[in-house]
Amino acid sequence: AQRVTQPEKLLSVFKGAPVELKCNYSYSGSPELFWYVQYSRQRLQLLLRHISRESIKGFTADLNKGETSFHLKKPFAQEEDSAMYYCALRRTGGFKTIFGAGTRLFVKA
Amino acid sequence: DAGVIQSPRHEVTEMGQEVTLRCKPISGHDYLFWYRQTMMRGLELLIYFNNNVPIDDSGMPEDRFSAKMPNASFSTLKIQPSEPRDSAVYFCASSLSSRDLYFGPGTRLTVT
Repeated sequence: AQRVTQPEKLLSVFKGAPVELKCNYSYSGSPELFWYVQYSRQRLQLLLRHISRESIKGFTADLNKGETSFHLKKPFAQEEDSAMYYCALRRTGGFKTIFGAGTRLFVKA
Repeated sequence: DAGVIQSPRHEVTEMGQEVTLRCKPISGHDYLFWYRQTMMRGLELLIYFNNNVPIDDSGMPEDRFSAKMPNASFSTLKIQPSEPRDSAVYFCASSLSSRDLYFGPGTRLTVT
C-alpha cells in the first residue's frame, strides 16, 4: 500500500537557521514525489517535484530510494517560508496522488 | 482563468442535514479530485474522476458520501446525512492528464 509519513506536525526554527522537513514513503513500485505548500490565506500549490531536481525558493529535496525518504531542505529559513508543507506521492505514470499529514513550519524572527 | 472554483467557501449545518459541495475545475483539465483535510489525518483523497467518469472512490468514507461529475465543468460532493465528524476542509483539485494538481480554495464544513 502507498503511504506518506511526515513525522513532525510542527516545526519551529529561527530566521536564518537551516530547516529540514522530513518525509518518508512506503511504495513498492517506482514513485513520483512532490512537495506542496499552503501559505496563509492562499491555495495549496506545488512547490517542487523530484523528477525536476530543481530548487524553488531556496528549497531542495532529494529522493533517497534506499531510505525511502524525500526530505525538504533549505539552508537559511526566511519568515515568508512559514506555511503548511505537504509531501505527496504518485505512482510513475499514475493518476492518484496521496499526501502526508503535513508539517506546519514556523520561522521566527 | 480564475482557477478551480469551489462553493460555498464556508458551510455550517446541523447534524442530519444534507450538504452539497460544488466544484468547477479549470477549463480543459480532464482530471478532478476531491480531498478532505483534517488536523489529524491531513489530506485524504476521497474520489477522482477522469473525463467525468469516477475512477477510484476507495477513499470515500461511507455510503453517506457521494460524488458526481455530470459534465466537464462541474462536480458535486454530497454528504447525506451529515455528522459532526464530517467537519473538515474539503478541497477540489483538477489537473491536465494527471500532471500537476491545481487546488481550489476549499470549503470549510462545520457540522454541529
